[in-house]
Amino acid sequence: DMKVTQMPRYLIKRMGENVLLECGQDMSHETMYWYRQDPGLGLQLIYISYDVDSNSEGDIPKGYRVSRKKREHFSLILDSAKTNQTSVYFCASSRSGNTLYFGEGSRLIVV
Amino acid sequence: QQKVQQSPESLTVSEGAMASLNCTFSDRSSDNFRWYRQHSGKGLEVLVSIFSDGEKEEGSFTAHLNRASLHVFLHIREPQPSDSALYLCAVRAEGADRLTFGKGTQLIIQP
Repeated sequence: DMKVTQMPRYLIKRMGENVLLECGQDMSHETMYWYRQDPGLGLQLIYISYDVDSNSEGDIPKGYRVSRKKREHFSLILDSAKTNQTSVYFCASSRSGNTLYFGEGSRLIVV
Repeated sequence: QQKVQQSPESLTVSEGAMASLNCTFSDRSSDNFRWYRQHSGKGLEVLVSIFSDGEKEEGSFTAHLNRASLHVFLHIREPQPSDSALYLCAVRAEGADRLTFGKGTQLIIQP
């Protein structure tokens, strides 16, 4: 069963705290992505990972970093979260840039 | 930089009537077009992918691509209330490693 799993699904953090969002996929896809989705702005690409330890900035990487130590796992890290990072974060995976398969999203609120 | 715009922002259609959504893109070299659907609070699911001018049908969804006019359309035959969702167009420019998403059309199917 092709699946992208995100954890946690919901998270409330205080400003300045660190945030770890995790994503796993069971399809052995090389490429993984992190997006954020905000009303009126649509989906914005934060980072792409082409494979283990091969990551590239997307369109809005500032304030975020990523880690990919295993092909099936891709983490998004916010060091010192800000209120403008309140959003819904989506992870996706694909084989060589073909169809993207998305997780169900992680809703982050920073207060 | 690729720009993708969708219209209308919101569309209400009666159950069983055809629904037509529009997506325009800016880069004529684009070679990869996908329509995704997102139910409220859920992730994105791919509906149909199209790579050359003409039509591509997947179940009740038909994508129509006209690169000369920079348009890709999605037609939904006999939609049901369960098809009420946000519909997103995604386009990849030739040689690019990422999709650019439109902001979406919110489709409401009235019983």
